[in-house]
Amino acid sequence: QLQLQESDPRLMKPSETLSLTCTVSDDSISDISYYWGWIRQSPGGDLEWIGNIYYTGSSSYNPSLKSRVTISVDTSKKQFSLNLNSVTAADTAVYYCARLSMVRGMGGAFDLWGQGTVVTVS
Amino acid sequence: SYVLTQPPSLSVAPGQTARIPCGANNIETKSVHWYRQRPGQAPVMVIYYDSDRPSGIPARLSGSNSGNTATLTISRVEAGDEADYYCQVWDSSNHHYVFGGGTKVTVL
Repeated sequence: QLQLQESDPRLMKPSETLSLTCTVSDDSISDISYYWGWIRQSPGGDLEWIGNIYYTGSSSYNPSLKSRVTISVDTSKKQFSLNLNSVTAADTAVYYCARLSMVRGMGGAFDLWGQGTVVTVS
Repeated sequence: SYVLTQPPSLSVAPGQTARIPCGANNIETKSVHWYRQRPGQAPVMVIYYDSDRPSGIPARLSGSNSGNTATLTISRVEAGDEADYYCQVWDSSNHHYVFGGGTKVTVL
């Protein structure tokens, strides 16, 4: 069964760059039906979409984070990665990687999630 | 930007029906997806494209979308349904994915 696995939890200082990697357990990272995304959940429970990437490298980002975010993909390693620079305490959250199913177009659902990794900025 | 509004909490007795609303302007024109998040776990998709159920999700869970409100309905509520539930859409005007604030369902 397909699984997504985020890299280990992070304790960071303000102004540092957050780097997380998500490993996909099978070859579906190159499947044309899926995008691969990052979503974070604040300590208060709010879910916020960060961005997506396609296996070709085409990416899209939340406008509120776009200036600080880069998402990349390495299909040979079955991984996609998140970089978020200039972090502040407001970036403290649980970060999830997820598969976005696009079989019916752009209005897709996140049909599979990783278990999440805690990022603390202090 | 497009805002999805959910009540923060909802309480329901076992065996009764829980209806969780997700309100937004003309939401019926969008595809709505629903996620369940149990304590300490990642979200799980329970309804997609308004009313479709993924395999493994019981038929007690159903979805609808009309006018300005999409609704997740849980029939014959069980203790295991206690969780946070989130709705989500694609905001085509601003090109990003939006989540509702979540509803905490408590089984009395």
